[in-house]
Amino acid sequence: ILNVEQSPQSLHVQEGDSTNFTCSFPSSNFYALHWYRWETAKSPEALFVMTLNGDEKKKGRISATLNTKEGYSYLYIKGSQPEDSATYLCAFKNDYKLSFGAGTTVTVRA
Amino acid sequence: EAGVAQSPRYKIIEKRQSVAFWCNPISGHATLYWYQQILGQGPKLLIQFQNNGVVDDSQLPKDRFSAERLKGVDSTLKIQPAKLEDSAVYLCASSLIMVLAGGSYEQYFGPGTRLTVT
Repeated sequence: ILNVEQSPQSLHVQEGDSTNFTCSFPSSNFYALHWYRWETAKSPEALFVMTLNGDEKKKGRISATLNTKEGYSYLYIKGSQPEDSATYLCAFKNDYKLSFGAGTTVTVRA
Repeated sequence: EAGVAQSPRYKIIEKRQSVAFWCNPISGHATLYWYQQILGQGPKLLIQFQNNGVVDDSQLPKDRFSAERLKGVDSTLKIQPAKLEDSAVYLCASSLIMVLAGGSYEQYFGPGTRLTVT
């Protein structure tokens, strides 16, 4: 079982503020790092798949960076909106299996 | 395209009872996964199918859990008998292919079944 850690476990952010949080993963035998957004009562939704060291991906106000040498990825939310409230999961791909972190739950206060 | 379908969405049972969950993956997806997500933890892979064959069931508690995907399409996951610690969200996911090495692939998730064992 691979150790994928996410921090913080939860955070509250004021509407309009920006925030970021971390996923750390083993730096060896890396194939890909996935980010998912999971809103309550909905299906987890894929945000990014990152495969190369130094990758930066962006989707609207959400972006992510990847450092495979030191084993971490950051997810950024710029100008948070209430609809950004969700649990954000990262998953490390080794061979054919995804190993998930426990998630960071973001609550955006209006 | 229709997403991954799961039913039921919620289930409450007493310990020692049996329960079954159903999953219908996205049409044409060869690989199907069942995950267990206990509150406060990340989803844990229970079993992975490639078509109707099992690729990985190393974390499936085989004394009480079973899963099948007989025709290589939809799948059922059964717990018999249930224990209190089985309370969790059971997620089904599917992907088009399974890449054994290199590259990556997208897994598409269903909405999950929330199981409460009392």
